[in-house]
Amino acid sequence: EDKVVQSPLSLVVHEGDTVTLNCSYEVTNFRSLLWYKQEKKAPTFLFMLTSSGIEKKSGRLSSILDKKELFSILNITATQTGDSAVYLCAVRYNAGNMLTFGGGTRLMVKP
Amino acid sequence: SAVISQKPSRDICQRGTSLTIQCQVDSQVTMMFWYRQQPGQSLTLIATANQGSEATYESGFVIDKFPISRPNLTFSTLTVSNMSPEDSSIYLCSVEEGGARGEQYFGPGTRLTVT
Repeated sequence: EDKVVQSPLSLVVHEGDTVTLNCSYEVTNFRSLLWYKQEKKAPTFLFMLTSSGIEKKSGRLSSILDKKELFSILNITATQTGDSAVYLCAVRYNAGNMLTFGGGTRLMVKP
Repeated sequence: SAVISQKPSRDICQRGTSLTIQCQVDSQVTMMFWYRQQPGQSLTLIATANQGSEATYESGFVIDKFPISRPNLTFSTLTVSNMSPEDSSIYLCSVEEGGARGEQYFGPGTRLTVT
């Protein structure tokens, strides 16, 4: 059965800490992996990864994909309270354009 | 990226009634999707809204319960029919840019509560 699993389920850190969020997948005909940040209702797009080993970076956030080991990580350095959110990983596979989402990681950053 | 709006942003409805949610995009897009996020859960795809043809529904979702319209390349509606409390969710539309491997962006969502 195809699936996308995120870990940890939740995480509490203090401002300034660095966090690493994990997303593993077992799908057929992988095409791309996307990361989103969800604070209230709408997920906000962060990154889309299609190739192994190529880091994508935006400010304090970065992400990398390992297509051999079937996982991706999202790193956040020097965390701020505004980083508190649910982080979602989604995978696109087979011929369709639909996204299959993981269960999310709830991050809380304390002052 | 495309700017996506949804109406209404939230609603409280009585069981047995129907609600139509609108999704408007500021540019023409080929692919539009409707997702549901039940309380405490992740996102689940309801259907892909195809312009000029019937929507493609995922397992567990049927057209009679969630009829979808896609009259043009910038607009779609999702109706939640004969609602029950189990339909209380956030409903999100999304669009895909950049072709078959494009980035997918979400609208602001509609929070539906059924009493």
